This record gives sequence, C-alpha cells and structure tokens, in this order.
Amino acid sequence: EILLTQSPGTLSLSPGERATLSCRASRAINTNSLAWYQHKPGQAPRLLIYGASTGASGIPDRFSGSGSGTDFTLTISRLEPEDFAVYYCQQYIDSPLTFGGGTKVQIK
Amino acid sequence: QVQLVQSGPEMKRPGASLMVSCKASGYTFSTSGIGWMRQAPGQALEWMGWISTDTGDTNFAQKFQDRFSMTRDTSATTVYMKLESLRSDDSAVYYCARSYSDRWWFFDHWGQGTLVTVSS
Repeated sequence: EILLTQSPGTLSLSPGERATLSCRASRAINTNSLAWYQHKPGQAPRLLIYGASTGASGIPDRFSGSGSGTDFTLTISRLEPEDFAVYYCQQYIDSPLTFGGGTKVQIK
Repeated sequence: QVQLVQSGPEMKRPGASLMVSCKASGYTFSTSGIGWMRQAPGQALEWMGWISTDTGDTNFAQKFQDRFSMTRDTSATTVYMKLESLRSDDSAVYYCARSYSDRWWFFDHWGQGTLVTVSS
C-alpha cells in the first residue's frame, strides 16, 4: 500500500497569499498518477489536478500541481476567499487507492 | 451535465446492513467506473472499492473485502453498495464518484454524500 503524507496539517494564510501544499509518497508513483481534491464542509470533494500537473475542467489557473516520484506539490498562486478548505492528494497507480491525511488551508 | 445522486441519510443499529444507491446521469453510464469512498468525522477520505459499470468487475480495499459489495443496474444507470455487519466506527459520510476511466481511477464527479449513523 502506498502511504501519502501531506504537510503541513494546517496552513494559516491571508487572501492574496500563495499556498504551497506537499504530498509525499512512501514509494515512487510512476506515470505521475496523483490527483488533488478540494473539500469544503457539507460539500462533495472537487477534483483540481490529475496526472500530478493537469488541471481538471473548469479549475482556475491559480491552482497548479507539480512533482514526480515521491514528492508532489499543489500551489495556489493567490488565495481567494473561496479557496479556504481542506485539500487531499490521492494516488491511483496502485490498489488500494489511497488518500493523504489532508491539509487544511484556513484564514489567518 | 454529469450528476451522481445518492440515496438519503441512514440510521442503523450495530450488526445491521447498509445499502446506498448512486444514480448516474448526463453521460454514457458504461464508459466510466464508480468508486466508493467514505469520510468518518474528523478523518480523511478513505477508498472502499471500485466497480466497472461496463463489466461489473470489482476491486476492493482489503479492509472491507469481507463485508462490502457493489453491484450495478445498467438499465437504471445506478450503482449500489452494501456494507454488512455495521459497527459504530462505520459512521461516516459515504460518497460515490465517477472515475475518469476504467483505467485511471481518479474521480472527476462526486455524489452529494450519504450520512450514515451507526448507533445502538
């Protein structure tokens, strides 16, 4: 099983600031089979990024993904008020699919 | 537009069985599988299993393998999950989600979630 460790657990930032979220895998994820989701309370998760760096349909370009192997990053270039949420990474190269523990981006 | 609509909230006793439905619309049902995830209070998302809506093939997280099943009704474009022998720690919000394809199991559309409470 591939374990995904997200850091930090909580990120306190102000609107307009840059957010950098990390997802580290316990072994290399070949083919960059890693996705990122945004999750707000009471809502369904929303796909942001797949293939480590490809933006999903309708996702603003302030969201970007990068990385390969075991280290992946989600960057939000300038936080908008609606971006404060929990973010999860997920690997889909291997079964069982696994999610990271999440990073909460909260208003400072 | 793609929609996944899940059945309503459930309250169950320990030891009971749970069935949740996921009605798909707005796309060709057989082109993308359906995954099931859950989120217990204060916890991260957890993958439970995946079903091909084309072939009915399934893949389960080992943790759930003995008491979790999935079926699909292609005429009704609906997928069902069943979880048996419920325990209090099965209390969670359960989500179905459409996988991008039968090969790539990331999830581009999600149901609204079904709140399940297991309590005596």
